[in-house]
Amino acid sequence: GENVEQHPSTLSVQEGDSAVIKCTYSDSASNYFPWYKQELGKRPQLIIDIRSNVGEKKDQRIAVTLNKTAKHFSLHITETQPEDSAVYFCAASCKGAGNQFYFGTGTSLTVIP
Amino acid sequence: GAGVSQTPSNKVTEKGKYVELRCDPISGHTALYWYRQSLGQGPEFLIYFQGTGAADDSGLPNDRFFAVRPEGSVSTLKIQRTERGDSAVYLCASSLSGGGYTFGSGTRLTVV
Repeated sequence: GENVEQHPSTLSVQEGDSAVIKCTYSDSASNYFPWYKQELGKRPQLIIDIRSNVGEKKDQRIAVTLNKTAKHFSLHITETQPEDSAVYFCAASCKGAGNQFYFGTGTSLTVIP
Repeated sequence: GAGVSQTPSNKVTEKGKYVELRCDPISGHTALYWYRQSLGQGPEFLIYFQGTGAADDSGLPNDRFFAVRPEGSVSTLKIQRTERGDSAVYLCASSLSGGGYTFGSGTRLTVV
């Protein structure tokens, strides 16, 4: 099955700086890669996703890049704000095969005011 | 409904007891998923329903776990003879077929 690895496990940045979280996956059949943000005690919320037919997607301060050859994808948050502090999870799935998500182990991001 | 609803939000049970966790998905979402999230970990897949049928139950850890979705909407996750290792947050998610998930707030299960 799919194996998703995520780094770093914790990340602290100064407010206004950028944050980058990286994930790798093992199954070349995976073709959909969502990112979820989870605040303490809350549900995971989808913040951005990318499909395998594109290499980059941007939504305001958040961007995701995908390198299919290397089987890795990254989340980039620019101009970080204290409210960006949360745990971020990457995931990979093979659409058409039930859309089961394989999640990474999470990155705890702290934005220091 | 407006979102995925899970009840109860918290459940404390004694080791060996039976529990049922309920998920009410977004209206019209045909796909429903159950995940389990342990502290400090990402969600771990348990079972996936497409309509009324379990399309993939490969994530259920053993035969103490079972889930149903008899009418293609509400789903119930059932755990028999609970063990302390079953303690986790159980998350339900729904989607239109092939879309991104919307998660519920989860049920925090504590087995004492």
